[in-house]
Amino acid sequence: QKEVEQDPGPLSVPEGAIVSLNCTYSNSAFQYFMWYRQYSRKGPELLMYTYSSGNKEDGRFTAQVDKSSKYISLFIRDSQPSDSATYLCAMSAYRGSTLGRLYFGRGTQLTVWP
Amino acid sequence: GAVVSQHPSRVICKSGTSVKIECRSLDFQATTMFWYRQFPKQSLMLMATSNEGSKATYEQGVEKDKFLINHASLTLSTLTVTSAHPEDSSFYICSAHPGVAKNIQYFGAGTRLSVL
Repeated sequence: QKEVEQDPGPLSVPEGAIVSLNCTYSNSAFQYFMWYRQYSRKGPELLMYTYSSGNKEDGRFTAQVDKSSKYISLFIRDSQPSDSATYLCAMSAYRGSTLGRLYFGRGTQLTVWP
Repeated sequence: GAVVSQHPSRVICKSGTSVKIECRSLDFQATTMFWYRQFPKQSLMLMATSNEGSKATYEQGVEKDKFLINHASLTLSTLTVTSAHPEDSSFYICSAHPGVAKNIQYFGAGTRLSVL
């Protein structure tokens, strides 16, 4: 079993839709949770960062972490064509030799059509 | 803030040549830098972890003599693909970790390497 599981999609939605992206993980040592957006042939761009459990909102984006279920989500409200990209979840531990190392999901390819 | 510059963005080279890729943190000091490789429609695959002033730690299956990493300062790490072959063609991405409690990595824009 991979440490981080993410459905690769592809996911296609109309403009204005609410998008829900999810990841599950198996390592209980993960405390830092991130969502990155990657446009084609570009490096990942940090979208959201959450420490431990809870919700975080930034504009149209909301990140949720449920550590009891080992499940994280990213919601995009009022989706726009410019949101079309691959979304990668990533997480890291807070202790030990793997401190600083990120564990990525496969990425979900999202297309928002006008 | 938190800008990571990666250069060059695109390289086309002949088989057998060596290619150097630079990764710079522009507005922060990076105690640790990471090098990834990404195949089309795949996630990032960690190749090595680079700490300033010490030898890089390579992931299993990554040839350290093939992929030379140098992290000479807190703002610069380089990856040299030695004697490149067509199978080395890929998208290489670096990231930098500022070494503060947040445990976040900031990524460069990537380098697309094509070996003919």
